[in-house]
Amino acid sequence: EAGVTQFPSHSVIEKGQTVTLRCDPISGHDNLYWYRRVMGKEIKFLLHFVKESKQDESGMPNNRFLAERTGGTYSTLKVQPAELEDSGVYFCASSRAGDGGELFFGEGSRLTVL
Amino acid sequence: RKEVEQDPGPFNVPEGATVAFNCTYSNSASQSFFWYRQDCRKEPKLLMSVYSSGNEDGRFTAQLNRASQYISLLIRDSKLSDSATYLCVVKGGSYIPTFGRGTSLIVHP
Repeated sequence: EAGVTQFPSHSVIEKGQTVTLRCDPISGHDNLYWYRRVMGKEIKFLLHFVKESKQDESGMPNNRFLAERTGGTYSTLKVQPAELEDSGVYFCASSRAGDGGELFFGEGSRLTVL
Repeated sequence: RKEVEQDPGPFNVPEGATVAFNCTYSNSASQSFFWYRQDCRKEPKLLMSVYSSGNEDGRFTAQLNRASQYISLLIRDSKLSDSATYLCVVKGGSYIPTFGRGTSLIVHP
């Protein structure tokens, strides 16, 4: 069974540019989460999809961040325009239906904004 | 106060040592508790869930103290391969897994 895959693994962009991160969850996993880790700080929740619906987006920093999960399969997280403080590692995780399942993480997308 | 707090360490121990980590959480309504392990520049992976009665998996023992709102992880007979960051994860009323900052463990020969 393929794991959670994320693309790109590393992106370096300039302030003001746009970046789109993609996450392919494990097939059949209804729950999809986006998290971010800024250097030296804890992994912070961004948002949660159940299938194609945004269940909780309370962790999204501001309206420069837009997440979608069309068709309830893969998800994208777009940052536009990127700011310096957006640098960090963006993790995607998925889990089976319900709320007690183990989270399976992708390897993360490292974003560097210069 | 942070929702989930951990001592970041690092804990520097020799092989064979026993080491314990604690994690405190602020939401008394929290329902589920986990320890994840994260190796350098890798993704977090589930180490073990933490049950009310406490649970053991080989050299690892996890315990939950609801009254004091903390969970613990005990590692016996530490191996070099145990070196990693150990993340405490708590699911509160919103069922969103919330992470602690992680505790760094370094096991040396």
